[in-house]
Amino acid sequence: NAGVTQTPKFRVLKTGQSMTLLCAQDMNHEYMYWYRQDPGMGLRLIHYSVGEGTTAKGEVPDGYNVSRLKKQNFLLGLESAAPSQTSVYFCASSQGQGTGYEQYFGPGTRLTVT
Amino acid sequence: KQEVTQIPAALSVPEGENLVLNCSFTDSAIYNLQWFRQDPGKGLTSLLLIQSSQREQTSGRLNASLDKSSGRSTLYIAASQPGDSATYLCAIRGPSYQLIWGAGTKLIIKP
Repeated sequence: NAGVTQTPKFRVLKTGQSMTLLCAQDMNHEYMYWYRQDPGMGLRLIHYSVGEGTTAKGEVPDGYNVSRLKKQNFLLGLESAAPSQTSVYFCASSQGQGTGYEQYFGPGTRLTVT
Repeated sequence: KQEVTQIPAALSVPEGENLVLNCSFTDSAIYNLQWFRQDPGKGLTSLLLIQSSQREQTSGRLNASLDKSSGRSTLYIAASQPGDSATYLCAIRGPSYQLIWGAGTKLIIKP
């Protein structure tokens, strides 16, 4: 039982390049989330998914796209990377969205855009 | 709009001391509050979750309290150890079900 895993752990991109971050969970959770964490700020929600084939925008969705083709995977795409997207990206999953459900987090992906 | 603040941003204390980390929020309409621990290069680990109807939760040397009327939560760590060194984050779940996060307090326990 690996929990939540993220691929890759580190990546350096040049401005304008594209990439996809992969999140996988083996807990059969319905809900999955992508956050970014910047220095001096709390985590901010980028996009989330309430089930296979469904996605929704979070607080800071601009410049990102997501897909949830399989229940266990949640992909975050950057079509044209910008230096402002330099950040640490965390994926999380939860069984539900009610008050009693905890989110479980992956180890993060550190992305630098030059 | 809910805002979550954690002060101080960093704290350094000698091993063995009891300490308190603070989390304040602007909107008392919350469903629950969670305290997380973040270690460098690792994900976030949930430490304690307090429902809006609860006043405190305890787990081992950790005790978290919640006072909605004053918009405050505290995380009390007893008999601190070097292994407690980490960044501690609090997060609020409100009516939108999304988590609103504080920026964290980086805690260093000196041996």
